[in-house]
Amino acid sequence: DAEITQSPRHKITETGRQVTLACHQTWNHNNMFWYRQDLGHGLRLIHYSYGVQDTNKGEVSDGYSVSRSNTEDLPLTLESAASSQTSVYFCASSESQAGFRGNNEQFFGPGTRLTVL
Amino acid sequence: QKEVEQDPGPLSVPEGAIVSLNCTYSNSAFQYFMWYRQYSRKGPELLMYTYSSGNKEDGRFTAQVDKSSKYISLFIRDSQPSDSATYLCAMRQGAQKLVFGQGTRLTINP
Repeated sequence: DAEITQSPRHKITETGRQVTLACHQTWNHNNMFWYRQDLGHGLRLIHYSYGVQDTNKGEVSDGYSVSRSNTEDLPLTLESAASSQTSVYFCASSESQAGFRGNNEQFFGPGTRLTVL
Repeated sequence: QKEVEQDPGPLSVPEGAIVSLNCTYSNSAFQYFMWYRQYSRKGPELLMYTYSSGNKEDGRFTAQVDKSSKYISLFIRDSQPSDSATYLCAMRQGAQKLVFGQGTRLTINP
């Protein structure tokens, strides 16, 4: 069965360290997204990609970067981790923008809980 | 002001009750409206999807969209303890990105 996985599931790091969160999907979806979820804010978009070599900034992109070298993976890098980046991070994927399904459903991974001390 | 507003709750109701969850929004160009359900320590999953105004029913769940009032609702009939979760509304304009509400945490008490 197709799925979307994230690793690690839990991570504790120190301020200033570089951290990379992995996201891998076997849906063969063109679109991939990274969100962070915090109390009172719901899901906020960090970065997204509509295909290989395409990356775009979301509403809370400062301090984060992504790269898309293949269809299956979109790793999220925190260049220099800050305590404000303590959060739960979700990766999601969906079919192409012009997919025949109007809902263009996003399929979410299980999340990575990141703590920055 | 946030583009999509959702009361975060928490909301606690007895088993069998009718639950009403709501979101308001400011962007009149939104066309696609969704409800995602998220169980504790899991990723969100699409529950209901509605295009433009109107109602959609799926078993015990009914989604309503009132574009004139910029207001969407999710009703759960005969609520069950297994319905306990966080419910997130989401919406988008055409092929644009999804915009999520803050999520409402719902508990159904046996």
